[in-house]
This record gives sequence, C-alpha cells and structure tokens, in this order.
Amino acid sequence: DIVLTQSPLFLPVTPGESASISCRSSQSLLFSNGYHYLDWYLQKPGQSPQLLIYLGSNRASGVPDRFSGSGSGTEFTLKISRVEAEDVGVYYCKQALHNPLTFGGGTKVEI
Amino acid sequence: QLQLQESGPGLVKPSETLSLTCTVSGASVSDSDYYWVWIRQSPGKGLEWIGSIYYGGSTYYNPSLKSRVTISVDKSKNQFSLRLSSVTAADTAVFYCARRGLTAIPSWGQGTLVTVSS
Repeated sequence: DIVLTQSPLFLPVTPGESASISCRSSQSLLFSNGYHYLDWYLQKPGQSPQLLIYLGSNRASGVPDRFSGSGSGTEFTLKISRVEAEDVGVYYCKQALHNPLTFGGGTKVEI
Repeated sequence: QLQLQESGPGLVKPSETLSLTCTVSGASVSDSDYYWVWIRQSPGKGLEWIGSIYYGGSTYYNPSLKSRVTISVDKSKNQFSLRLSSVTAADTAVFYCARRGLTAIPSWGQGTLVTVSS
C-alpha cells in the first residue's frame, strides 16, 4: 500500500497569516498522463470531508483561491494564504494512483 | 444537485453482518463516468477506503477488508450497498458513501455512525 505521511499533525494558525501542510508519499504519485494523483480534503468539525484540491494542484469547484496545492513525485504541499476562521478542521491528503486508495493521517488546523 | 444518503442500522452485534445502503439522487448509479465508494472513519481516527464499485459492476476492495466486504449496486432503486461480515468492535465507525471521479471524491454523504456492540 502507498503510505502518506502528513506533517505537522497539529497546526495552530493566526487569521490573516499563511499556513502550509506537507504530504509525503512512499511512492511517486505521477501517472503516465503527467498528472499526480494526489488530492486534498478538509473535514470541518461535525461534517463530511470536502474536496479542496485534485490532481495535485487543481482547485475544486467553489474552493477559495487562498487554497493552493503544489508538489511532484512524492512531496506535496497544501498552502492556505490569509487563513480565515472557517478554515479550521482536519486536512487530509489522499492518493488515487494505486488501490487501495489511502489517506494521510490528517493535520488538525486550529485558530 | 447530487445527494447521497446513507441508511441502515446504527447498532450491530459482534460477529453479525453490517449492511448499509446509499441512496443517490441527482445522478444515476449507471453513469459510466464515476465510481461509487464506501469510506469509514473510526471514532477520533482518520479515513479508510473500504471499496468501490463501477457502473458495470466491477468492484475494488481494500485488501485489509476484502474477505469480509461486498459492495453492490441496485440500478432499479438508484442505490448502492455495503455489507461487512463478522464485525467486531474495531468496525465501529462513521461510514460514508461517496462518488468518485477519475481520482478525486467531490461528493460525500453526511455519514452514518454504526456501533458494534452486544
């Protein structure tokens, strides 16, 4: 199985400042079509996860542009610029290159 | 607008079979562009993919659960279902049904808590 390791586990943030979350994969997530099969999700308290970023760097519909994804191979980063209070929750990365689909352990973001 | 709603017993006895159904509205389970997915989240823990089913009936299961899992589709009811046999307390979790595209999972149900206890 592909193992995704997120860091940090806990991230205190200040509104208006930026924050970054790292996701490291045990294998390259580059598919032959040139895309990286890595997504980012946010699970707000008491809610289902919601898709933020797909294929490594593409924002999902309705996601504010303060969220951005980058990276390649085995190293990926989710950046939140100008953090807002509504951004609190647990962030997960997920790979879809190989079954079983696997998620990172999560990063809890709190104000 | 796509909506997914999980339903089923909230309490299952150890060694019995957990059965959940996901009712889909706003889309068809026969749509060839998507996979229909079950994911679970144990209390206070992360997310675990259980398995997926494609419109043609092809299934893909997490090897860690494969011997106990069955996912099926009922096109007449526009539903898909999960069966997990021989459950133990370790199977207590919130179960989500979802729709997956090429890679990402943009649509999730609200989740349903299933507790395994006698």
